[in-house]
Amino acid sequence: SYELTQPPSVSVSPGQTASITCSGDKLGNKYACWYQQKPGQSPVLVIYQDTKRPSGIPERFSGSNSGNTATLTISGTQAMDEADYYCQAWDSSSDFYVFGTGTKVTVL
Amino acid sequence: QVQLVQSGAEVKKPGASVKVSCKVSGYTLTKLSIHWVRQAPGKGLEWMGGFDRDNDDTMYAEKFQGRVTMTEDTSTDTAYMDLSSLRSEDTAVYYCTSMGADDAFDIWGQGTMVTVSS
Repeated sequence: SYELTQPPSVSVSPGQTASITCSGDKLGNKYACWYQQKPGQSPVLVIYQDTKRPSGIPERFSGSNSGNTATLTISGTQAMDEADYYCQAWDSSSDFYVFGTGTKVTVL
Repeated sequence: QVQLVQSGAEVKKPGASVKVSCKVSGYTLTKLSIHWVRQAPGKGLEWMGGFDRDNDDTMYAEKFQGRVTMTEDTSTDTAYMDLSSLRSEDTAVYYCTSMGADDAFDIWGQGTMVTVSS
């Protein structure tokens, strides 16, 4: 089955840039999206189709996807960005949707 | 504004079944593709399955095939997820979510906590 792997945790200082990676076989050939989840809340879509931001998502969130790795970048990280982040893609060979293992972002 | 409103928390014994509902508000169910995702305590998100409106087909993750059934009542704009033969490992928050034209889960319900305990 298709798997997406993320680092368990990323730490960043306020105002700095956080990068979260998501690795999967030939992930660059699929669309990747990203979700933010704060404690006790439902996930929120922050990036779709690799690079696009839904309405209402701040410009400091950006995405890229190439080769075997998709990356979510948070520029000028704020305390409110502290959350768990999950990547997700669709595996066409199985017709299944897959989530990454999740990354906890801590703003120190 | 489209909202997905889920039913309340459930406590079930091992071996029982649970049915979670997801009511669409501010839109019509027939224009949405509803999927179900669960999250065990302290764990990550896990896709369970969902309805592909374009192909009129329901997909189930391999792990849940034979144990989960996802249905719809278009007269009440409500989707349902039925999970049978419950075990303690099924204790989790269950979310309904809508797959949008952007190939992403863009709307989420508030979640339903299902606890399986003897």
